[in-house]
Amino acid sequence: DTGVSQDPRHKITKRGQNVTFRCDPISEHNRLYWYRQTLGQGPEFLTYFQNEAQLEKSRLLSDRFSAERPKGSFSTLEIQRTEQGDSAMYLCASSPPGWGAEAFFGQGTRLTVV
Amino acid sequence: AQSVAQPEDQVNVAEGNPLTVKCTYSVSGNPYLFWYVQYPNRGLQFLLKYITGDNLVKGSYGFEAEFNKSQTSFHLKKPSALVSDSALYFCAVRKSNAGNMLTFGGGTRLMVKP
Repeated sequence: DTGVSQDPRHKITKRGQNVTFRCDPISEHNRLYWYRQTLGQGPEFLTYFQNEAQLEKSRLLSDRFSAERPKGSFSTLEIQRTEQGDSAMYLCASSPPGWGAEAFFGQGTRLTVV
Repeated sequence: AQSVAQPEDQVNVAEGNPLTVKCTYSVSGNPYLFWYVQYPNRGLQFLLKYITGDNLVKGSYGFEAEFNKSQTSFHLKKPSALVSDSALYFCAVRKSNAGNMLTFGGGTRLMVKP
């Protein structure tokens, strides 16, 4: 079991630049989630995929954010024209089918916008 | 809308003593409830969940939690704390059979002193 893998682990970028993060879920999991966590807070839901379909998006996901899961396997989260307020830990999680299934989280990508 | 409250930012307990980390929730309909633990520089790790059935659920590392519908609570407990239990604990709720968004509380830092 390789778990949920996220890359990179850390990213420092200048304000206004675009960044892209990758998430590789557990292989048999068809559900994939992105969350954002700021210091001292609990994770906040951003978006959800079932296979390749993006089924839910939070209002937190502004027009500068886009997520894809083109083949129903790995996913990418892109932030365009980064702002200092985007600095946070971006967490990816996956879960198998079933309403009661728990989500397994990756170690996250820490983004710092300077 | 669904929400989770963790009223204590920090809980201090001596090693060997019982511990309780409090969680109350608000959700329409029946809830699915989860506890996760986060160690420094690590992702969220699943501890336990309540889906249906017995109100007392047992999880990893000797932790358990009791679902109380009338008080809308899901407190995390352990009979005898270990120093290694020191970490950040998050309670989360999801509406059963609807949607996939987990809503997290703000977290409680558990400090177990030798």
